[in-house]
Amino acid sequence: DADVTQTPRNRITKTGKRIMLECSQTKGHDRMYWYRQDPGLGLRLIYYSFDVKDINKGEISDGYSVSRQAQAKFSLSLESAIPNQTALYFCATSDPLQLREADTQYFGPGTRLTVL
Amino acid sequence: LAKTTQPISMDSYEGQEVNITCSHNNIATNDYITWYQQFPSQGPRFIIQGYKTKVTNEVASLFIPADRKSSTLSLPRVSLSDTAVYYCLVVDTGRRALTFGSGTRLQVQP
Repeated sequence: DADVTQTPRNRITKTGKRIMLECSQTKGHDRMYWYRQDPGLGLRLIYYSFDVKDINKGEISDGYSVSRQAQAKFSLSLESAIPNQTALYFCATSDPLQLREADTQYFGPGTRLTVL
Repeated sequence: LAKTTQPISMDSYEGQEVNITCSHNNIATNDYITWYQQFPSQGPRFIIQGYKTKVTNEVASLFIPADRKSSTLSLPRVSLSDTAVYYCLVVDTGRRALTFGSGTRLQVQP
């Protein structure tokens, strides 16, 4: 979805480095999410935020932190990157007031992170 | 949290109808059945959502029997561009996040 952008799209870093992945959205949605995807597997939730003051851990939050700078921006940080954090990272947004009955998420293009 | 089970992979040919079945035996009253599509190196994309009976949109149809313990995503006349991973999710109106399984990898051959 072009309304959800992620930067960078690709990043190679070394073990121990601090990395920040950024997500911006122009959809005006309050809810934002960070997922990671490992090869051949589904997505796993890292953190989610229902508004600027509401941030929650997902199923695999260890080693990650987030910042919700504004309604439109949600950043994911790896404080000290390690090789098993090599994965594809997706940001998503949703709006519970949309017409569909249950929450539908809109995903960004992903950031491919490699930790050497 | 209703768990879903779907085939790991399926193969088809262009022009055929593809049906992917998902089982969700412990679906709750407030749960909706939602399908997403994911192309390689892209984020998942919403395809269709339903609660019961049949739902159809411009992309697919979703069939849900009366007991709602399973659902079938139907893709009419697939093309090569339908090659993707398809995820079946059970989502309730109050849930705060989605849980993705491994999905069904559909390969469409010419």
